[in-house]
Amino acid sequence: DAGVTQSPTHLIKTRGQQVTLRCSPKSGHDTVSWYQQALGQGPQFIFQYYEEEERQRGNFPDRFSGHQFPNYSSELNVNALLLGDSALYLCASSGPTGNGYTFGSGTRLTVV
Amino acid sequence: AQSVTQLDSHVSVSEGTPVLLRCNYSSSYSPSLFWYVQHPNKGLQLLLKYTSAATLVKGINGFEAEFKKSETSFHLTKPSAHMSDAAEYFCVVSARVNNDMRFGAGTRLTVKP
Repeated sequence: DAGVTQSPTHLIKTRGQQVTLRCSPKSGHDTVSWYQQALGQGPQFIFQYYEEEERQRGNFPDRFSGHQFPNYSSELNVNALLLGDSALYLCASSGPTGNGYTFGSGTRLTVV
Repeated sequence: AQSVTQLDSHVSVSEGTPVLLRCNYSSSYSPSLFWYVQHPNKGLQLLLKYTSAATLVKGINGFEAEFKKSETSFHLTKPSAHMSDAAEYFCVVSARVNNDMRFGAGTRLTVKP
């Protein structure tokens, strides 16, 4: 049973560019959440997708957007990258039981 | 809204001594509470979870936590630390209504030989 899969694992982008990160949830999970973890800090909630709609959003600007597909996979898009967007981006999936998330290993984004 | 406060940013213990990592929570709903561990350059691993069953929760690797509603606390303990326990630990709260999870800032556990 595959867990949560994220791609790519590492990415280097230039300031001002756009980036798309991808996530495939654990089998049986229908909800996908995205988190940003800056170096030395705890993960910060970006947003959550359920039934292809953004259900909740944290305190992140509109440069951060997402999408969920009918197969429950999800994308995180970040426009106009800033140096401060450099972080580990974690995807987590959960299912109907509400027993917490399964996390992927993350995508390490470096903005130069 | 829900949030957690991890009372110690860094805890240092000697191998074989007890571990205590402290967490207080705030939630508008009956919360679910979790502890996750993150080893360097690794993903987040679930240690244990509280979801309204027994207030004393046992997890993996000998860790356990007790839910105390009157104190709004969910402290993580282990009787005897092992070198492999050195990592970052996160306390997490979730409102069961929407399954949204909020992390604390983390506690870095150092284990001395």
